[in-house]
Amino acid sequence: NAGVMQNPRHLVRRRGQEARLRCSPMKGHSHVYWYRQLPEEGLKFMVYLQKENIIDESGMPKERFSAEFPKEGPSILRIQQVVRGDSAAYFCASSPPRDRGAYNEQFFGPGTRLTVL
Amino acid sequence: GIQVEQSPPDLILQEGANSTLRCNFSDSVNNLQWFHQNPWGQLINLFYIPSGTKQNGRLSATTVATERYSLLYISSSQTTDSGVYFCAVERAGNNRKLIWGLGTSLAVNP
Repeated sequence: NAGVMQNPRHLVRRRGQEARLRCSPMKGHSHVYWYRQLPEEGLKFMVYLQKENIIDESGMPKERFSAEFPKEGPSILRIQQVVRGDSAAYFCASSPPRDRGAYNEQFFGPGTRLTVL
Repeated sequence: GIQVEQSPPDLILQEGANSTLRCNFSDSVNNLQWFHQNPWGQLINLFYIPSGTKQNGRLSATTVATERYSLLYISSSQTTDSGVYFCAVERAGNNRKLIWGLGTSLAVNP
């Protein structure tokens, strides 16, 4: 049973370019979360999505950042016009539907390490 | 918002030693998870433990929800236990956001 998949694992962008990070949840999981980790810090919540719906984006910067989880395909976190401060590790997590036991337990992917030059 | 405090911030052990890591949180929770972030940056689920006690091999965890703390025990530590241990909680209210502590950085020396 494959875990949460993220790609790319490493991404280098120049200032002003766009970054697209992809996340495929565990099989059978319908909830996806994105978190950001700056060096030497814990993770910070960004956004929570279900298929075709953004449930909570309270942790997402208001400009340049967007997320989607389409009916088909992976969840995408998109950062437009990247700046050096966007350099971080971005982790995706997924959790099962509410009708399963530990429905709110989150399982994490390996992360995408974004470096902005 | 809910506060999550972990202690100690840093810990150095000799291989074979035991340790206890603590996580205090400031509000009622629906979810509490312990993670190990290895030196390669990967996050490994250790325990889903909003209350009670669980054991998995050399690791065990206890959450006393009424007193708002959780403990992670590592026995007979090995060098592969090195890394950062994070506690993360979801505040009661079912909002699904995990709020993270700053972690305990553990180094196990041979």
